[in-house]
Amino acid sequence: EADIYQTPRYLVIGTGKKITLECSQTMGHDKMYWYQQDPGMELHLIHYSYGVNSTEKGDLSSESTVSRIRTEHFPLTLESARPSHTSQYLCASSAGVSSGNTIYFGEGSWLTVV
Amino acid sequence: GENVEQHPSTLSVQEGDSAVIKCTYSDSASNYFPWYKQELGKRPQLIIDIRSNVGEKKDQRIAVTLNKTAKHFSLHITETQPEDSAVYFCAAPGDSSYKLIFGSGTRLLVRP
Repeated sequence: EADIYQTPRYLVIGTGKKITLECSQTMGHDKMYWYQQDPGMELHLIHYSYGVNSTEKGDLSSESTVSRIRTEHFPLTLESARPSHTSQYLCASSAGVSSGNTIYFGEGSWLTVV
Repeated sequence: GENVEQHPSTLSVQEGDSAVIKCTYSDSASNYFPWYKQELGKRPQLIIDIRSNVGEKKDQRIAVTLNKTAKHFSLHITETQPEDSAVYFCAAPGDSSYKLIFGSGTRLLVRP
């Protein structure tokens, strides 16, 4: 079944550690996104990509970085995690919002930095 | 850039009553308006959407209305049930046409 897969789902790491959140989609979509969300709160766009080798910063400044080497893969990396990075990170994909195609979300990665 | 405002932030209704959530947007070129439902601990999921060439769309107990002149759209849930309790987000396309800008969310509580 077509879906968006995120790993790890839950992670507790120490301050200063490097972490990569993986995201893969089998939706066949060109556009991919990372949103940051505290529980039940606003969805903040931190990165997006409209295709291979394209990445853009979102509306919320983030210390994380992303890469898009393959269409189906859009990992997010934090070089040095801090407690302020504790949050849920949602990966998403779309065939293109401008043409009326909605965004679909993965199940999320819950990150806790201690 | 696009700005989406959503009201109210919390809404409590009795089971069986109706619930209405309203959103306004700033970019008159916006042409697609989805609504998402996020249950506790789950991912946001699309429940209904509307395109700018339509004024109203209905799917069983939920409906969305769009007023392009006033630049606002609303979600209507009739005959609410406890399982409707969740956070609801409206959205509109951002200025890049590749992204959605979300409203701040409405926490709906349906009391049995």
